[in-house]
Amino acid sequence: KAGVTQTPRYLIKTRGQQVTLSCSPISGHRSVSWYQQTPGQGLQFLFEYFSETQRNKGNFPGRFSGRQFSNSRSEMNVSTLELGDSALYLCASSFGPTGTDTQYFGPGTRLTVL
Amino acid sequence: DQQVKQNSPSLSVQEGRISILNCDYTNSMFDYFLWYKKYPAEGPTFLISISSIKDKNEDGRFTVFLNKSAKHLSLHIVPSQPGDSAVYFCAVRRTGANNLFFGTGTRLTVIP
Repeated sequence: KAGVTQTPRYLIKTRGQQVTLSCSPISGHRSVSWYQQTPGQGLQFLFEYFSETQRNKGNFPGRFSGRQFSNSRSEMNVSTLELGDSALYLCASSFGPTGTDTQYFGPGTRLTVL
Repeated sequence: DQQVKQNSPSLSVQEGRISILNCDYTNSMFDYFLWYKKYPAEGPTFLISISSIKDKNEDGRFTVFLNKSAKHLSLHIVPSQPGDSAVYFCAVRRTGANNLFFGTGTRLTVIP
């Protein structure tokens, strides 16, 4: 089975721009979660989607948004980029949303904001 | 407010010996616990998990121990191998919620 895939792997943007990151979960997995990893804050939960609905959201500003499509693929969007948004963005998929299934992570998208 | 702590940022162990990585959490509502291994510029790789109804789970060289009363879990790797060198994160969550709370990570170096 193919793992979680994320595109693009690397992105460079400037302050004020917006960016869209994409995640394809493992086949059969319907829950997708997004995390941000930075040196200062570590790994932090952004949001989770299941059946095209956002089930849970972390403590991030409204500039961070996401969506899920009917094929379970997910995108996250960051508008009005700030320097502090530079991070590794990780997507994780699991079979269901109940919290009893293991989450498997993709390789991440490294976003650099200049 | 860090709900999950890994107090040792780094650990060095000789090849063949035991590696013990520790993790403490603050909220007794957490009932599912996981360990992930991470290499730079890659996503975390799932290693092993344990639910709150158990106090030990074993998978090959990896064993996770849970002490609910102390809100403490540990990962034992025996024997340690150079390929185990990576950053190890513990993660916790509540049943019914998929969002993981991660510790700050421990960098393990296994010396050949």
